[in-house]
Amino acid sequence: KQEVTQIPAALSVPEGENLVLNCSFTDSAIYNLQWFRQDPGKGLTSLLLIQSSQREQTSGRLNASLDKSSGRSTLYIAASQPGDSATYLCAVRRGAAGNKLTFGGGTRVLVKP
Amino acid sequence: DAMVIQNPRYQVTQFGKPVTLSCSQTLNHNVMYWYQQKSSQAPKLLFHYYDKDFNNEADTPDNFQSRRPNTSFCFLDIRSPGLGDAAMYLCATSRGGTGGTEAFFGQGTRLTVV
Repeated sequence: KQEVTQIPAALSVPEGENLVLNCSFTDSAIYNLQWFRQDPGKGLTSLLLIQSSQREQTSGRLNASLDKSSGRSTLYIAASQPGDSATYLCAVRRGAAGNKLTFGGGTRVLVKP
Repeated sequence: DAMVIQNPRYQVTQFGKPVTLSCSQTLNHNVMYWYQQKSSQAPKLLFHYYDKDFNNEADTPDNFQSRRPNTSFCFLDIRSPGLGDAAMYLCATSRGGTGGTEAFFGQGTRLTVV
């Protein structure tokens, strides 16, 4: 059974610092990995999708890396802003069970002005 | 424009009174998911459709059922809601198959049971 873990569970940084969020998964047979952002009481907003054949994806200040063999992904957010405060979740998709998305517990981020 | 739409955004129901949540999509994706998310927890997959094929998670209570009458719509039925069913319910879609594509989520329905 695929298990996804995100450490740390919460993170507080001053504005301008870079954020590093970690995601690990137990079964490396994944199709892809996706990072999401969730604001309180809202749905999930997709940030980045990394296919299993890729090593990284970039979008603006966001960069996500994937090391499938070690079961790890890292989301980097450069020059953090108070508006980046949210919960960040990673999810992996594996093909053996009909494209299920399995989530980590999330990292709650607070960027202090 | 919203691509995955959930209605209603907020639903209050009485203990034991059946309730239906709805989800529609404009992406023509063949996979639709229903997740339950309780406060400060990860979304938990209840079930998903791959085309018309229904896939139930082993630990999804029998109290929860789903219907997908066509590609665009999917419903979550809770037959007899209990206090423990109060949660955010999230619908998502993606294109399935080898590689898969980005999953898109709706804004969720916050269910309160009184």
